[in-house]
Amino acid sequence: NAGVMQNPRHLVRRRGQEARLRCSPMKGHSHVYWYRQLPEEGLKFMVYLQKENIIDESGMPKERFSAEFPKEGPSILRIQQVVRGDSAAYFCASSPDLVGEAFFGQGTRLTVV
Amino acid sequence: DQQVKQNSPSLSVQEGRISILNCDYTNSMFDYFLWYKKYPAEGPTFLISISSIKDKNEDGRFTVFLNKSAKHLSLHIVPSQPGDSAVYFCAASRNNAGNMLTFGGGTRLMVKP
Repeated sequence: NAGVMQNPRHLVRRRGQEARLRCSPMKGHSHVYWYRQLPEEGLKFMVYLQKENIIDESGMPKERFSAEFPKEGPSILRIQQVVRGDSAAYFCASSPDLVGEAFFGQGTRLTVV
Repeated sequence: DQQVKQNSPSLSVQEGRISILNCDYTNSMFDYFLWYKKYPAEGPTFLISISSIKDKNEDGRFTVFLNKSAKHLSLHIVPSQPGDSAVYFCAASRNNAGNMLTFGGGTRLMVKP
């Protein structure tokens, strides 16, 4: 049973470009969460999704960031017009239900140059 | 406003001794607490959790203690092993859900042989 798969592991973007981060949850998990870890800080919750629905996006920046979890395929975190401050590690986690512990992927390290 | 705080950024202990990692929280709505272990360039790995109805939970070498009146929890590792060297994150959630998490800033544990 494969774990949570994130790709790419490393992503370099120039300022103003778009970044797309992908997350495939564990088999049988329909709940996906995205977290961001800035350098030397803890992880910060961004968004919680179920298939085709955004459940809670209270941690998402109001502009340039969006997330989806379509009926088929991975969850996508999209960052438009990236800026240097977006450089961070982005972690995806999944759980089988609302109360089960979440399992984390290895993260995508975004560097904006 | 940091709702979960780990005031010690680092801790060094000798192999075989006890490691005690501390965590404080401010939000009285939190009712479920977790500890995660994280190696560099990897995602957090779940270690142990505790519900607010308990004051202690033990799993092998790991024990978590919860003091609700002080809004304080701690993770005890005994005996400590060099492989335990990692960053440890305390996390909290509401509604007894182990997924939408508020993380502390982490404590880097170094276990010396």
